[in-house]
Amino acid sequence: DQQVKQNSPSLSVQEGRISILNCDYTNSMFDYFLWYKKYPAEGPTFLISISSIKDKNEDGRFTVFLNKSAKHLSLHIVPSQPGDSAVYFCAASSVGSARQLTFGSGTQLTVLP
Amino acid sequence: DAGITQSPRHKVTETGTPVTLRCHQTENHRYMYWYRQDPGHGLRLIHYSYGVKDTDKGEVSDGYSVSRSKTEDFLLTLESATSSQTSVYFCAIRGPATEAFFGQGTRLTVV
Repeated sequence: DQQVKQNSPSLSVQEGRISILNCDYTNSMFDYFLWYKKYPAEGPTFLISISSIKDKNEDGRFTVFLNKSAKHLSLHIVPSQPGDSAVYFCAASSVGSARQLTFGSGTQLTVLP
Repeated sequence: DAGITQSPRHKVTETGTPVTLRCHQTENHRYMYWYRQDPGHGLRLIHYSYGVKDTDKGEVSDGYSVSRSKTEDFLLTLESATSSQTSVYFCAIRGPATEAFFGQGTRLTVV
């Protein structure tokens, strides 16, 4: 049973437009959510996070929205750039168990020039 | 970049042989994790450590063991490698903050 789901394996967006990546979770104990970006042959790199006490967190072109009642979060990238093309993983953690991360299966974002 | 190094970066081994992957950190972080990445599954936790000699199982721990005799090193051992353990393995570290930082990965092929 996947506790964190990314239902879109891929997404293509035109350069300069908004990219919206979605993530759903089922475990109500999750209280911290993160987005990681991964290029081929590299490790995932931390992008942005949000605590369950917030519903929005912004960092430059990246904004994460959390809807706790729907158990849904999304990552918005505005404007999208070709260098943003990568696999994006949503992850969640809860207090305890060393705050291990539970990951979604990833979404391949392609930003077209 | 977080000071985290994985070795080897690539390895091909035969079924039934033992394999050890090493994760080394220079950050003195308490928490260390081993994940594997497979198509369609994202990253799945194998084992983690919350201190020297303190380890616990993750979601996909069968066939794997770990050891942490020093803060800086976390070893992942496949006692008898199988083809289902062909994967990309990532080590991660975490300090007081909630985000974890990942190594470059080890691509393991079991033939």
